[in-house]
Amino acid sequence: GDSVTQMEGPVTLSEEAFLTINCTYTATGYPSLFWYVQYPGEGLQLLLKATKADDKGSNKGFEATYRKETTSFHLEKGSVQVSDSAVYFCAFNNNDMRFGAGTRLTVKP
Amino acid sequence: GAGVSQSPSNKVTEKGKDVELRCDPISGHTALYWYRQSLGQGLEFLIYFQGNSAPDKSGLPSDRFSAERTGGSVSTLTIQRTQQEDSAVYLCASSTNRGKETQYFGPGTRLLVL
Repeated sequence: GDSVTQMEGPVTLSEEAFLTINCTYTATGYPSLFWYVQYPGEGLQLLLKATKADDKGSNKGFEATYRKETTSFHLEKGSVQVSDSAVYFCAFNNNDMRFGAGTRLTVKP
Repeated sequence: GAGVSQSPSNKVTEKGKDVELRCDPISGHTALYWYRQSLGQGLEFLIYFQGNSAPDKSGLPSDRFSAERTGGSVSTLTIQRTQQEDSAVYLCASSTNRGKETQYFGPGTRLLVL
């Protein structure tokens, strides 16, 4: 069945380090792909999305490219900040939303 | 414009009591979803509304859980005879329609059952 697999955490980085959080999905057709971020004590916020193959979603320095051939949507940021510390969820919607388990990121000064 | 709102933001109750959680979706959004997030866990789908009807309630964990939506807008999730394992964050989301649309989330209700 349809599913999302994302890199397990926790991930701890120093400020200004490069971030990659891997995400792959299993689905038929062309789902919409999303990254959500959850800051402590808050709900999920949409970080970025892509709706078709080779689209690149970007926001706040984060990027992810819809790779149909590898069914992946890896999240990247070139230089993380302490304020990026949060839990990141990969998700896809193929008429039925599926979420990954979440990856906790901690950025240290 | 206004996002999804939920109330209360926090709820502490005693085991065996009933609780009601409320969700106000974004105006005009016909689809509404309830999820549960246990401590440190991912999201567990509970129920989906299209308008006032619930074509998918497959995620409701037991018959103690029920939900309704009125006027195609506000939704209420009710948990009867609460148990300690019901302690979690309950998240509501809405979207313009079902399909491949973006879901927008509320801040959640943190439920603690003592």
